[in-house]
Amino acid sequence: GDSVTQMEGPVTLSEEAFLTINCTYTATGYPSLFWYVQYPGEGLQLLLKATKADDKGSNKGFEATYRKETTSFHLEKGSVQVSDSAVYFCALQDTGGFKTIFGAGTRLFVKA
Amino acid sequence: DTEVTQTPKHLVMGMTNKKSLKCEQHMGHRAMYWYKQKAKKPPELMFVYSYEKLSINESVPSRFSPECPNSSLLNLHLHALQPEDSALYLCASSRQKGDRGYEQYFGPGTRLTVT
Repeated sequence: GDSVTQMEGPVTLSEEAFLTINCTYTATGYPSLFWYVQYPGEGLQLLLKATKADDKGSNKGFEATYRKETTSFHLEKGSVQVSDSAVYFCALQDTGGFKTIFGAGTRLFVKA
Repeated sequence: DTEVTQTPKHLVMGMTNKKSLKCEQHMGHRAMYWYKQKAKKPPELMFVYSYEKLSINESVPSRFSPECPNSSLLNLHLHALQPEDSALYLCASSRQKGDRGYEQYFGPGTRLTVT
């Protein structure tokens, strides 16, 4: 079945450091890919998405590119802030759009 | 309005109680979802409603009973829960099930504790 694998956390960075969170997926067909973020005590919110190969999603300085050849959707940000501290979930939506499958989540701590 | 609201925010209930969780959205979305999230884990899908009809039940125990009275409202009725059911319960909505590439909008969740 479809699955998402993302790097184990927690990831601890200093402010203004470069961030990469790796995400790879296994799916039949052509899934849509998402990054969701969950701040403490809140629900999930969409960070960015891509619906086809080579699409780049971007939002609030975060970027991820849908790479079909490597089945990856790695999240990057050039300069993190303390306010980026949260849990990040990579997710795929199956080809029929019926279900969203989440990765295990990566907790990010950013120190001032 | 891109908000999904959930009430109550916190709920403590005994194993013999009956309670309900409520979720509301006014975005015109026709798909609504219940998820269960344990600490430090991703959300686990429980139920999906599409056009007010139950579309997916992920083999959830019958002590959880969903209801979708109209296109804006989703309830989760709870009865005879176990302590291991303690978790954050998240509601979400999206344009419609089967709409490829459309994200889900999540509510803030109800933190449930079963004593």
